[in-house]
Amino acid sequence: KNEVEQSPQNLTAQEGEFITINCSYSVGISALHWLQQHPGGGIVSLFMLSSGKKKHGRLIATINIQEKHSSLHITASHPRDSAVYICAVRSRSGAGSYQLTFGKGTKLSVIP
Amino acid sequence: DSGVTQTPKHLITATGQRVTLRCSPRSGDLSVYWYQQSLDQGLQFLIQYYNGEERAKGNILERFSAQQFPDLHSELNLSSLELGDSALYFCASSGGGDQPQHFGDGTRLSIL
Repeated sequence: KNEVEQSPQNLTAQEGEFITINCSYSVGISALHWLQQHPGGGIVSLFMLSSGKKKHGRLIATINIQEKHSSLHITASHPRDSAVYICAVRSRSGAGSYQLTFGKGTKLSVIP
Repeated sequence: DSGVTQTPKHLITATGQRVTLRCSPRSGDLSVYWYQQSLDQGLQFLIQYYNGEERAKGNILERFSAQQFPDLHSELNLSSLELGDSALYFCASSGGGDQPQHFGDGTRLSIL
């Protein structure tokens, strides 16, 4: 069983729809990242959060530490949001060091 | 632009060969992380360096090694290459501690 589970694996939405991607994890973490990977392969860090909620433009990320669950929401989705969204959890791997464990990603396609 | 530079962007070589991937971190970042992204395994953490010293090891094969130089750039050396080593290799950097990671555009390695 993966330590980081994302759902859904694939998601197709109409432009303008509200989108939710979920991430559940089973290990103790110090923070959770949401990453975006475009078809060209480059990875962009969208959020790093350890509690509560963060918002950037049309993107909102929430985390519930007790339930070991995070969600990424996209409001008023647009075709340019089409990408793979990856959840990654950060955990300690030694004194002063951390490592990321990744989910398998959610492939989002937004249709005009 | 994340500020993290990886070279080369593409590398094609044959089984049994050795290659070196290079990463220049964002200005001021002391931590460098290496990740492998293959089709079947997704993103996996390989190794982390902080200010020239190895800090954490993930799923890195014995055929692979890395180092971080005094100018903070890092190199990932892959030897005795196998077909299964074909993947995207990402480098990320951070200021350490609680700072988020910033990813380079990756090096696509193809083994023929």
